[in-house]
Amino acid sequence: QKEVEQNSGPLSVPEGAIASLNCTYSDRGSQSFFWYRQYSGKSPELIMSIYSNGDKEDGRFTAQLNKASQYVSLLIRDSQPSDSATYLCAVGYTGGFKTIFGAGTRLFVKA
Amino acid sequence: GAVVSQHPSWVICKSGTSVKIECRSLDFQATTMFWYRQFPKQSLMLMATSNEGSKATYEQGVEKDKFLINHASLTLSTLTVTSAHPEDSSFYICSATALASTDTQYFGPGTRLTVL
Repeated sequence: QKEVEQNSGPLSVPEGAIASLNCTYSDRGSQSFFWYRQYSGKSPELIMSIYSNGDKEDGRFTAQLNKASQYVSLLIRDSQPSDSATYLCAVGYTGGFKTIFGAGTRLFVKA
Repeated sequence: GAVVSQHPSWVICKSGTSVKIECRSLDFQATTMFWYRQFPKQSLMLMATSNEGSKATYEQGVEKDKFLINHASLTLSTLTVTSAHPEDSSFYICSATALASTDTQYFGPGTRLTVL
């Protein structure tokens, strides 16, 4: 059974700090990896996708993928109170298989 | 691009009635649409996966006769909660994948259902 694991948190960081969110997955056949942000009472919003080992940067966000360790992370630089949300890690497979979502990590950024 | 809408955004109904929720992909054709349910402070729970023109695939434990899914076109899927009861009160969210990127899900804004 394919699984995606995340620490539920909450992760609390001060404003301006780097927030580091981690995710592990069980299936080595995983092809695509996603980070979604979900504010309370709202639906998930896609932040980033990553497909190859290494880092991918988009503004204050950096996704890191290590397929050998089956590990994907999201770094948020210069964290802002508006970044306070639940962050969902998702792992996808080619060929039309469904995407597996982690339970999410709650992040609090303190002003 | 990749905008998904849902209607209604919230609905309140009496126990025993049926409620229909629409999910539309506004600027792309959706190969597959997914329906999720989320209870307060809990994670997303996939209910079913639907492809245009074919029967939906339901997750284990989801009653297909209670949660009717119709995927009539590449831009529209509907979820009907039949004979709703208070325990069906939840946040229902759809997502869709595009032909160009079948592994990326784009979520609708969700529908909050309250059954009295």
